[in-house]
Amino acid sequence: DSGVTQTPKHLITATGQRVTLRCSPRSGDLSVYWYQQSLDQGLQFLIQYYNGEERAKGNILERFSAQQFPDLHSELNLSSLELGDSALYFCASSVAGQSGNTIYFGEGSWLTVV
Amino acid sequence: AQSVTQLGSHVSVSEGALVLLRCNYSSSVPPYLFWYVQYPNQGLQLLLKYTSAATLVKGINGFEAEFKKSETSFHLTKPSAHMRDAAEYFCASGAGSYQLTFGKGTKLSVIP
Repeated sequence: DSGVTQTPKHLITATGQRVTLRCSPRSGDLSVYWYQQSLDQGLQFLIQYYNGEERAKGNILERFSAQQFPDLHSELNLSSLELGDSALYFCASSVAGQSGNTIYFGEGSWLTVV
Repeated sequence: AQSVTQLGSHVSVSEGALVLLRCNYSSSVPPYLFWYVQYPNQGLQLLLKYTSAATLVKGINGFEAEFKKSETSFHLTKPSAHMRDAAEYFCASGAGSYQLTFGKGTKLSVIP
């Protein structure tokens, strides 16, 4: 158990809908990351927050957004969903979000868009 | 920009045989390198991490990896494979950026 908690574990939704994925980082970690894992793209970095502020952005679509709240939990919002958005979405956390920090991953949220 | 290449998307070994999973990185700055393992239907678990303290890094479950700067490699090895080692393994680099860049993964099968 990495200490990173993600909900829901599985989600099935229709195209065009909007979903929210939730993440609680490890106790004491200030930085949260979101990654997408799909068969064709592999593991892709989406976005990183540090202590409530956006720190780095990766291959995140404009239809996707995220935030980190004062209690350090984070949410990833996916809207206008398409079939291609079906993937495993990981949340991860690290102490300070600096290069070289160990990043711990949650179990992931399986999203299926039908 | 950094990149990570894992040679072989699928590796099969017999139980008790040596496991060797290859990873090469490209980075213009000293790298931080990681190996993660993903068991079926589970998240990513950290196996080991290189941070320049020692070139040979020992991880969990009997795995180790050796950093070779001249070869820009960070191959993962285990002397004797167990059935429970069957999983997908990911090499990742954290050089010069806040997030990790992952290789495409190598699926390890262990044959009884």
